[in-house]
Amino acid sequence: NAGVMQNPRHLVRRRGQEARLRCSPMKGHSHVYWYRQLPEEGLKFMVYLQKENIIDESGMPKERFSAEFPKEGPSILRIQQVVRGDSAAYFCASSPNQAGYSYNEQFFGPGTRLTVL
Amino acid sequence: GESVGLHLPTLSVQEGDNSIINCAYSNSASDYFIWYKQESGKGPQFIIDIRSNMDKRQGQRVTVLLNKTVKHLSLQIAATQPGDSAVYFCAENTGTASKLTFGTGTRLQVTL
Repeated sequence: NAGVMQNPRHLVRRRGQEARLRCSPMKGHSHVYWYRQLPEEGLKFMVYLQKENIIDESGMPKERFSAEFPKEGPSILRIQQVVRGDSAAYFCASSPNQAGYSYNEQFFGPGTRLTVL
Repeated sequence: GESVGLHLPTLSVQEGDNSIINCAYSNSASDYFIWYKQESGKGPQFIIDIRSNMDKRQGQRVTVLLNKTVKHLSLQIAATQPGDSAVYFCAENTGTASKLTFGTGTRLQVTL
């Protein structure tokens, strides 16, 4: 059973370009979470999605950032018009959430390291 | 001993000794706690979890202790090995939200 897959592993963009980060959850998992990590810091929650639904986006910046998890295909975190401050590691996690059951182990992917020049 | 580095506090232990990594949490409503291990360039790896109706849970070479009175969590690693060198994060979750809130992390350095 493959783990959480993320690609690309490393992404370099110039200021003003768009960044697209992809996450394929573990088989059988329908819940995806995105976190951002700055060097020497803990992970900060960004957004929680289920198939075709955004459940909690309280950690997502209001502008330039968006996320989706379509019925088919991976979850996408999209950053428009990137700035240097967007440089970070972005991690995706998935869980087999059952409705009404909040004690969920989240399995993390290897991350995408975004560098904005 | 324990020291504060530039950003992450660092705990240095000798191979074979026991390690204790501490974490303070702030949300008294948190009812589920997880310890993650993160090696350089990798994603967090689940180590052990504990629910708020417990105060101790043991795994293989690891034990997590939860003190809800003072909102403190600790991870004990027995017979620490070089492969245990990593950054360790505690994370908390409340029953009404699925997102995890991570602590700042502790870097564990195992010396031979």
